[in-house]
Parts: sequence; structure tokens; C-alpha cells
Amino acid sequence: RKEVEQDPGPFNVPEGATVAFNCTYSNSASQSFFWYRQDCRKEPKLLMSVYSSGNEDGRFTAQLNRASQYISLLIRDSKLSDSATYLCVVNFSNYGGSQGNLIFGKGTKLSVKP
Amino acid sequence: DGGITQSPKYLFRKEGQNVTLSCEQNLNHDAMYWYRQDPGQGLRLIYYSQIVNDFQKGDIAEGYSVSREKKESFPLTVTSAQKNPTAFYLCASSMRNSYQETQYFGPGTRLLVL
Repeated sequence: RKEVEQDPGPFNVPEGATVAFNCTYSNSASQSFFWYRQDCRKEPKLLMSVYSSGNEDGRFTAQLNRASQYISLLIRDSKLSDSATYLCVVNFSNYGGSQGNLIFGKGTKLSVKP
Repeated sequence: DGGITQSPKYLFRKEGQNVTLSCEQNLNHDAMYWYRQDPGQGLRLIYYSQIVNDFQKGDIAEGYSVSREKKESFPLTVTSAQKNPTAFYLCASSMRNSYQETQYFGPGTRLLVL
């Protein structure tokens, strides 16, 4: 069974706070991992891919732990504009059909308050 | 500008009616996808197409049909057999249907049943 699990939140934090989101996935052979951001009533947009060595993009840091089948996203110095739902996305590349099919978590809602 | 467009933004369906959602991309992407999102749920794959004149069922294809006559276009028809069609429908595309490729989303169509 292919599953991606996230804490639904909401996470309510003050501006400037550091917040971390976690995600677990069920398929140990998964090949690729992403974090998408989805604003209310909008489409998901790619925030960042997650690489084995971990990667950083400004205030955002993504990490992957293959042994524990665990992905994380850290947001430092959070801004009001960071308020959104963050989707953990995994490619279960050896599940039946094509390699390009992604499995989406239900998302974690973040609300940054002044 | 390059991107993915979906129309209409809102669509109302009467009982027993078939409706078609449009998805067009000018990114020269080979692969296109249709997802459905219900409140508080992750995206679920309806159909995908890796190349013109070819498409495969996703996880929830029942009650839906698609065509891929042109590389740029991947319309989705919601048939009367789909008993619970109210949802947010998202079209996506990627260069190839591969775990290495990022998927990019259109703005979505909200379908409501009258």
C-alpha cells in the first residue's frame, strides 16, 4: 500500500518563528521526494525537491532519512506570506504503472500570525 | 508566457449530465495528468498520458474519460457515471513521465453538482 502521512495541523506560529513539518512514507524503494505549497483554493506549486544529502533554499531546509522513511521541511524566520498548506509528495517508482506518478500527502496547514 | 491553463474556473453539472474540463499547456511537455482534490484530502490521480494518443487509468478513473489528440491538450470528461463529482480538479504536466521530472499544475477547475 502506498501512503504518505503528514500531521494535518494547523500549526499556528508567530512571525519569526521556526517551524518544522514531518512526513513519513510507506514505500522504501521510493525514488524522489518533493515539498509543494498550496494556497487556499489555488493549485499546488513546487517549493523544493528533497535530495538525499539534504538541501536548503533560503529560509527553507529539506531533509530526507531513507532508513526511517521520513522527510522534513524546516522554515526559519517565518513570514506572514508563508501561511499555506504544505504538501509532502513522494514518487513510488516501483508501484505498478509509470514512474512519474506521484503520491500526495493530505498536507499540513501553517498559519503565521503577526 | 509558458504555462498550463484550465477552463472553466467553475463548472456546474446537473444530474445525469456529462461535462468536459479543458487543460492546455504550451510548455512542450510530453506527459499530462488529471488529479482530483477533495477537502482535507490529498490529490488523487484520475488519468495520465505519457504521449499523444495514449493514456492510462490512475487510481480513481471510474466515471471519467480523457483523450489526448494533441500534445498540448488533455481534456477530462466527467460522465454521469461519476456519482460524487463535486471536487477541485487539477491538471498537471511534466517533460516526461519519470520520477526525475517535476510536475507543474494548472489553476484548477471547481466542479459543483446542482
